[in-house]
Amino acid sequence: ETGVTQSPTHLIKTRGQQVTLRCSSQSGHNTVSWYQQALGQGPQFIFQYYREEENGRGNFPPRFSGLQFPNYSSELNVNALELDDSALYLCASSLPGRVTEAFFGQGTRLTVV
Amino acid sequence: KQEVTQIPAALSVPEGENLVLNCSFTDSAIYNLQWFRQDPGKGLTSLLLIQSSQREQTSGRLNASLDKSSGRSTLYIAASQPGDSATYLCAALATGNQFYFGTGTSLTVIP
Repeated sequence: ETGVTQSPTHLIKTRGQQVTLRCSSQSGHNTVSWYQQALGQGPQFIFQYYREEENGRGNFPPRFSGLQFPNYSSELNVNALELDDSALYLCASSLPGRVTEAFFGQGTRLTVV
Repeated sequence: KQEVTQIPAALSVPEGENLVLNCSFTDSAIYNLQWFRQDPGKGLTSLLLIQSSQREQTSGRLNASLDKSSGRSTLYIAASQPGDSATYLCAALATGNQFYFGTGTSLTVIP
């Protein structure tokens, strides 16, 4: 059974550019959530996808968007990057429901310069 | 809005000590509570999951308790080891299917 994998592990972008981060969920998990973790802070919820549909969204602007594919992998897209978007982006996968354990990937470290 | 607080922010103990990490949440309407470990610059490793109907969970030297009515959870680590040094995060799963995280407790176990 494979865990949650994210790519790339590190990324440097220039302000105003666009970025796409990728996540492969754990085998059999059809729910994927994305979180942003600024330095020294706890992760903040961006959004969740279930069966290719957005299933909840946190307090992030529309330039943060996502996709989920039929194999349950997911992408996080961020347009018009700002310096404050520099953070560790974490993907979590789980089975559907409210009592299931969530498993996180190793994260993508995004630096915006 | 759910707010999660972890105390202390940092903790340094000698190897072999037993220790308790605290987590409090403002809204008792949670679905479950999960404890994670995070090594510097890395992702989150799940330690324990406590469902809202449960009072505690144990895994090896770790024991987590949950008191929904008082909005508190504790993580107990027995016989601490240098390899336990990391940041420990608690997260409450609540409305909107999202985890609300604390800012973590940074633990250093001194050999």
